[in-house]
Amino acid sequence: AQTVTQSQPEMSVQEAETVTLSCTYDTSESDYYLFWYKQPPSRQMILVIRQEAYKQQNATENRFSVNFQKAAKSFSLKISDSQLGDAAMYFCAYSPNTGNQFYFGTGTSLTVIP
Amino acid sequence: KAGVTQTPRYLIKTRGQQVTLSCSPISGHRSVSWYQQTPGQGLQFLFEYFSETQRNKGNFPGRFSGRQFSNSRSEMNVSTLELGDSALYLCASSLNGRDEKLFFGSGTQLSVL
Repeated sequence: AQTVTQSQPEMSVQEAETVTLSCTYDTSESDYYLFWYKQPPSRQMILVIRQEAYKQQNATENRFSVNFQKAAKSFSLKISDSQLGDAAMYFCAYSPNTGNQFYFGTGTSLTVIP
Repeated sequence: KAGVTQTPRYLIKTRGQQVTLSCSPISGHRSVSWYQQTPGQGLQFLFEYFSETQRNKGNFPGRFSGRQFSNSRSEMNVSTLELGDSALYLCASSLNGRDEKLFFGSGTQLSVL
């Protein structure tokens, strides 16, 4: 069964500093996709970054980057130069290459301290 | 381009009632999926529709059902509501529903009293 685990329910970071959110997943598939979504108080989930499992290179989107370790089934999100607008709940998600069913972790609440 | 629209934003029902939630996907998107979000369980997949057909279903009882219309709009119905059905119900759309990023609506917050 596919499961996604986020072991940090809450994290905090000083503005302009760097923070890393952890995520591990369990799957027997070899081809899949991983995502980080952000959910601000408005409740709307926003895609932060996407990683294709067959790609060795870690995905990067501006201040956001991932450390994808396929063998370890680890997918962490690094936020550099943290901004107040980064404060939100962050969800790690897994999607197999056979459909559109996403498996989400329970989320990490990120606080950015001015 | 308009985003994913969910109506209503808030809903209060009592046990035993039924409820219908609506989702309008982004124009051109043919896949619509539904998720239940609760503080303890996170987001759990309910079902996915593509071209009016249910293509995938999560592990929820038969009281949860859905449908998709020819214009890709989708509705989700919950019959015989239970207290545990209180949750944020999120709808997401994508072009074809295969390994693509999802675009989410702001959800419908359902409270069952």
